[in-house]
Amino acid sequence: DAGVIQSPRHEVTEMGQEVTLRCKPISGHNSLFWYRQTMMRGLELLIYFNNNVPIDDSGMPEDRFSAKMPNASFSTLKIQPSEPRDSAVYFCASSRPEGYEQYFGPGTRLTVT
Amino acid sequence: GEDVEQSLFLSVREGDSSVINCTYTDSSSTYLYWYKQEPGAGLQLLTYIFSNMDMKQDQRLTVLLNKKDKHLSLRIADTQTGDSAIYFCAEDQAGTALIFGKGTTLSVSS
Repeated sequence: DAGVIQSPRHEVTEMGQEVTLRCKPISGHNSLFWYRQTMMRGLELLIYFNNNVPIDDSGMPEDRFSAKMPNASFSTLKIQPSEPRDSAVYFCASSRPEGYEQYFGPGTRLTVT
Repeated sequence: GEDVEQSLFLSVREGDSSVINCTYTDSSSTYLYWYKQEPGAGLQLLTYIFSNMDMKQDQRLTVLLNKKDKHLSLRIADTQTGDSAIYFCAEDQAGTALIFGKGTTLSVSS
């Protein structure tokens, strides 16, 4: 299996622009997670899905952030408009049920100038 | 509270043992996990322990679990420079995603 695939690996954008991060989970996994990692705050869970349905989005910072999972093999995390404080590494992970071990993608490093 | 707590930094010399500690919150957790994050990469599962065990050994890694104190530790024997990374502990809680600690940065000097 190719593991969790994320794209792009790096994104540099200007403040105010829309950013879309993409994730393909491992086939057969029915839970998908979006995390953000920064030096200051560490690893933060933003949102997770079970069977394509959002279960807990309490970690989403504000309305500028939105996530979708239109099918079992694809998810997006969108930031609109982006701000410099959104600069971070964003990870996607997947697992069988949500309490089981998670497999992480390589991350997308986002820089907002 | 809901936080899984770890110390932020640990520095050791090559060849020494490293011990990374973690306290978790949910006494009903079934599994407890250790993840490793190397620079520029995502987290990878290193090892895990079932909650009815108090010790698990896997080559240079030893996991100790004290359920009474909700304390988990990871011991790395004969630490190598390649072990330099961030180590996260995580617990499962019924009906929710894994809860991760903030991570312990292990620095190994030669």
